[in-house]
Amino acid sequence: GAGVSQSPRYKVAKRGQDVALRCDPISGHVSLFWYQQALGQGPEFLTYFQNEAQLDKSGLPSDRFFAERPEGSVSTLKIQRTQQEDSAVYLCASSSTGTSGYNEQFFGPGTRLTVL
Amino acid sequence: GQQVMQIPQYQHVQEGEDFTTYCNSSTTLSNIQWYKQRPGGHPVFLIQLVKSGEVKKQKRLTFQFGEAKKNSSLHITATQTTDVGTYFCAGRYGGSQGNLIFGKGTKLSVKP
Repeated sequence: GAGVSQSPRYKVAKRGQDVALRCDPISGHVSLFWYQQALGQGPEFLTYFQNEAQLDKSGLPSDRFFAERPEGSVSTLKIQRTQQEDSAVYLCASSSTGTSGYNEQFFGPGTRLTVL
Repeated sequence: GQQVMQIPQYQHVQEGEDFTTYCNSSTTLSNIQWYKQRPGGHPVFLIQLVKSGEVKKQKRLTFQFGEAKKNSSLHITATQTTDVGTYFCAGRYGGSQGNLIFGKGTKLSVKP
């Protein structure tokens, strides 16, 4: 595709519901990143994949957050038992290099999650 | 933990005035990247600085990386309304496996 795509673009969940956010990176990009961006803040790193391997998940805020990239392309970020503090924009980015990003990261449009 | 501090948080300028945003880290960075996020949009890569003392220019934008690789700046000459947005620096620590740590950004508004 032309760029990184994410779906859904908007998600409203009731507190306690599980959600799944999808990211389609640029074709052939080895590295994939998930970030959480609260209103008025910079993106905060959640996790990083190199192909299908999750090399760093140090930014995941709790064990309710889980990410996968089983075939080294599409990735899913799952949040279980959502809480109000999970409300944010979730950004996915991909990069063509095999390291965690000496090259530029291409960001998707994000998924805005609102937990009521 | 590692933090990248960015100032100012907001900057309002008249069109044609200059603008500068600054990033600081308490520890040495391996490299730093700059991104621009338009209102309602997503971050878009501007540049990467790697070498100590490096200066790069893109038209009216000048990027600098400090000699100690602990600070960086973005300067825009003669701002235009198209420069509106939030500018983020993102620093990397610890070589190739270090992840990007974003600053909180500087939100630039330009009055025509």
